[in-house]
Amino acid sequence: QKEVEQNSGPLSVPEGAIASLNCTYSDRVSQSFFWYRQYSGKSPELIMSIYSNGDKEDGRFTAQLNKASQYVSLLIRDSQPSDSATYLCAVILFTGGGNKLTFGTGTQLKVEL
Amino acid sequence: ETGVTQTPRHLVMGMTNKKSLKCEQHLGHNAMYWYKQSAKKPLELMFVYSLEERVENNSVPSRFSPECPNSSHLFLHLHTLQPEDSALYLCASSQETVRDTQYFGPGTRLTVL
Repeated sequence: QKEVEQNSGPLSVPEGAIASLNCTYSDRVSQSFFWYRQYSGKSPELIMSIYSNGDKEDGRFTAQLNKASQYVSLLIRDSQPSDSATYLCAVILFTGGGNKLTFGTGTQLKVEL
Repeated sequence: ETGVTQTPRHLVMGMTNKKSLKCEQHLGHNAMYWYKQSAKKPLELMFVYSLEERVENNSVPSRFSPECPNSSHLFLHLHTLQPEDSALYLCASSQETVRDTQYFGPGTRLTVL
């Protein structure tokens, strides 16, 4: 089982729709969760972090965390073509060598006109 | 602009060459990281430095050699690389430890011929 798992996509949504990106993780004791956006040829940039169960909203973005189900998601409302990118889920996992920020492979989002 | 810079942005080298990648952060952070990003694979953590001391080495081949002379600078020395080492190499920094949010530099696109 992958430590952090995401559907690679591409996920296609029409402009103005809600895009829903999902991520599951393997470590029950994880406490810190991040969503990064990566445009093609660019480096990842942090868009959301979440540490507690429930929803966290920031503008058009909402992160949702359910630790019991080991599930974190990112909702993008009113999707725009500029939101087209790969979204990376990252989780701090406890390993034998200590804590490590572990990334999923990312979900490619395409927002179509 | 995240406050983390990397040079060079692109590098082409032969398998017998020796080169170095440089990373500098202007955020006053105390932890710095090297990641490797290959196509279709998740970001792989290579090295972690916290307060200039290396705290994690994820079994990276010895042809990659990190150096952290102070908390603002990080180098990755490369020698006798293989074509499969071609990838995007990303530097990141965080305030103190891996539990803190990481900010990425623009990356160095490395091609090994």
